[in-house]
Amino acid sequence: AQSVTQLDSHVSVSEGTPVLLRCNYSSSYSPSLFWYVQHPNKGLQLLLKYTSAATLVKGINGFEAEFKKSETSFHLTKPSAHMSDAAEYFCVVSDRGGGYQKVTFGTGTKLQVIP
Amino acid sequence: SQTIHQWPATLVQPVGSPLSLECTVEGTSNPNLYWYRQAAGRGLQLLFYSVGIGQISSEVPQNLSASRPQDRQFILSSKKLLLSDSGFYLCAWKEQGAGGNTIYFGEGSWLTVV
Repeated sequence: AQSVTQLDSHVSVSEGTPVLLRCNYSSSYSPSLFWYVQHPNKGLQLLLKYTSAATLVKGINGFEAEFKKSETSFHLTKPSAHMSDAAEYFCVVSDRGGGYQKVTFGTGTKLQVIP
Repeated sequence: SQTIHQWPATLVQPVGSPLSLECTVEGTSNPNLYWYRQAAGRGLQLLFYSVGIGQISSEVPQNLSASRPQDRQFILSSKKLLLSDSGFYLCAWKEQGAGGNTIYFGEGSWLTVV
């Protein structure tokens, strides 16, 4: 079975403080994991992806995520939030279970950055 | 490089009117193509996907339909819109095969049914 759980629907941080957006996944196969960002009224942009190489993945805009198989987690972090980081973030799992590529999106986490 | 174009960006349609959203991909061949909907306050819902010309799979029952008349063209349609069809629609593409894990999205189309 494949599923994604984003544990927080809303996260609020002050500008300059760390960001943590949590994601847990379930997959019966070796998954690929992604984080996408969606700014208001815009499409989705890929932030970073894990595809079975290094478990600590660095993405754009200073974001990074660590794949922890034992915890089935892929949390997104950033050391210092900027106002421009305010957006909605989606965690995504993809695997080739059953012989075809299946993709599941999380329900999203809205990040608010307070000046 | 590959690009994806989706239009129109916004539209307001009366209930019962038809709908046509168009999406084209450039710079790749034989991509997987997807239509997603994002309703207010909800996550992304996969509506349709296509692995080739004329091959459409529907994920959820609804009054929408999709067509793929050309390799890099994907169209979302409705004959009669419902109020519940309002939302943000996203077209996306992905390479076929094991190496194509990343999904790339268009800029989206805001549909308001009134």
